[in-house]
Formats: sequence, structure tokens, C-alpha cells
Amino acid sequence: GENVEQHPSTLSVQEGDSAVIKCTYSDSASNYFPWYKQELGKRPQLIIDIRSNVGEKKDQRIAVTLNKTAKHFSLHITETQPEDSAVYFCAASTNYQLIWGAGTKLIIKP
Amino acid sequence: NAGVTQTPKFQVLKTGQSMTLQCAQDMNHNSMYWYRQDPGMGLRLIYYSASEGTTDKGEVPNGYNVSRLNKREFSLRLESAAPSQTSVYFCASPRGARTSGSITDTQYFGPGTRLTVL
Repeated sequence: GENVEQHPSTLSVQEGDSAVIKCTYSDSASNYFPWYKQELGKRPQLIIDIRSNVGEKKDQRIAVTLNKTAKHFSLHITETQPEDSAVYFCAASTNYQLIWGAGTKLIIKP
Repeated sequence: NAGVTQTPKFQVLKTGQSMTLQCAQDMNHNSMYWYRQDPGMGLRLIYYSASEGTTDKGEVPNGYNVSRLNKREFSLRLESAAPSQTSVYFCASPRGARTSGSITDTQYFGPGTRLTVL
């Protein structure tokens, strides 16, 4: 079955710098790759997603890239702000399920 | 339009007790999902219902049962709670109909139920 690995587990960056979180997946049939943000004590919320027919997608300070050959995708956050502090999860779709990475805790240092 | 709602928000059980977690969505979505979230392990799928009248096992179904009561409601039951079931439980419902057998759109999550089993 599908397996999703996410790195790093914790990422600390200076406010204003960029942050990159990477995920790898195992099932070449997966065709949808969302990223969710979860603030402490709250529910996960979608921040950006990408489908397998697209290599890159951008939404203001957030971008996602997908390399189908290598089976990995990455989340890029530029000009980080304090409100970006949260846990970020990647996922990959297979059949009717999303398989989730273990999460990355992003810490923004003032 | 409340989206996805869950009850209760918090629950403490003793080992062996039973309970049902309730979930409802008012977005007219076909699919509904139950996840559990444990520290450092992300979200793991317990059961899902791709459409009214169908349910299927996910990654970690043991110790749980589900009922898709109607299109709006999907409940999760713990028949005999165990300490290993201490977790935060999220119900979710993805936008869009089933297409090509995959989830390819936003999942809307409920606020979660924090369950502790002593």
C-alpha cells in the first residue's frame, strides 16, 4: 500500500526566511497531493494541493512542487511570518483514501 | 452552514466502557471519513463511507465500528474502550463526488473529539 514519509519532523526558521518541507510517496498511482496546516488544538485545514498532471503550483507565499519520477513533493513557504507557526501535514491519495505524513512542526523565530 | 460537526468535544472513559462519536455534515457530500490523530503519527484512517449505504475499513479499524445513518451522519462506535484508543478523533468529508476512485479535493474536518481511556 501507499506510504508517505515527511521530513523534517521539526523545522525552525527565522521570521522572513523561507521554509521547505519534503514528502516522499511509494505508490506511483497516487494522483493528488494536498498539504494541510494544523494550529494547536484546531482541525487540519487545506492550504494548497497539487494534482499529478501539474509540476508546480503557487498561491501567494506558498508553493508546492511535484516530481513524479522521483515520487516526492515539497511545500515551500517564503517570507515566513509568526502566523505560519503550526504543524504541516502532507498526504497522497490512493483509491478512496488519503495517506498522511507524520507532520512537520514549523517554528518561526522572531 | 456549519460544515462538519462532531459530538462530544471531550470524553473520558474507563477501560471496557462503550461510546459513540457522532459526526454530521451539511455540505451534501457523498463521502465521510473517521481519522484518529496521535502525537508524532499524523492522521490514520479508521473507517470511511464513500457513499450513503457503504462503509469500508481504513488503516486502523480494529476495535471500532461505524454506521452511515444517512447522507448527513456518520457515527463511530467503540464497543469496549481500551487505553490504546486514547486519541483525538476527527471526522472529515471531502468536497466533490467520487471520481476515478480517488480523493482529489478538499477534505473538511470537524473540530475533533478528545478521548481519554483510563
